[in-house]
Amino acid sequence: GAVVSQHPSWVICKSGTSVKIECRSLDFQATTMFWYRQFPKQSLMLMATSNEGSKATYEQGVEKDKFLINHASLTLSTLTVTSAHPEDSSFYICSASPPGSGEKLFFGSGTQLSVL
Amino acid sequence: DQQVKQNSPSLSVQEGRISILNCDYTNSMFDYFLWYKKYPAEGPTFLISISSIKDKNEDGRFTVFLNKSAKHLSLHIVPSQPGDSAVYFCAARIYTGTASKLTFGTGTRLQVTL
Repeated sequence: GAVVSQHPSWVICKSGTSVKIECRSLDFQATTMFWYRQFPKQSLMLMATSNEGSKATYEQGVEKDKFLINHASLTLSTLTVTSAHPEDSSFYICSASPPGSGEKLFFGSGTQLSVL
Repeated sequence: DQQVKQNSPSLSVQEGRISILNCDYTNSMFDYFLWYKKYPAEGPTFLISISSIKDKNEDGRFTVFLNKSAKHLSLHIVPSQPGDSAVYFCAARIYTGTASKLTFGTGTRLQVTL
């Protein structure tokens, strides 16, 4: 299956700092990538859709100034959590759908963010 | 508004028996339904999907059944194996013409015992 790589796997940071998470499609080009967030024992919630070469589309209730998304190439999307606070601590996962894969989304391994 | 629901947070099944995981949805615009398996601190892994125009799809030990009138789907795993122990998420896709979005249920933790 298609490979989506996400880095870092986990990060611990102080409150007020910014954290960047990278998502790469390793064996296909992705014009669109998706960023999800999962709190403990809850569902995966779509945060935003990352579009190559254009602005990301954010879901209702997600602060675009706090969660900056950049999709500068067909294989890389980044999510930057700006001025992180403890309530931003969560598991962030990116996903993409290779051309021809239809309805299937392939997910990265996720990033566990802990803000102290 | 939870459009995709998995009402059983956990399920325990003996090895070799059948595991049945259930999922209900409310939005009739969903065109595909998918099941993902997830381990802690890892991303979900795609298992099987079904189009809304079908009522059954089978892949090895995994079968998904869709009852569109009841807005209900289920994943059957038979025979269940200890390696199947994980959290299973039901997801539903809606295609807007320009974007494809998945909505996930809350997950069911399956434990397969020896």
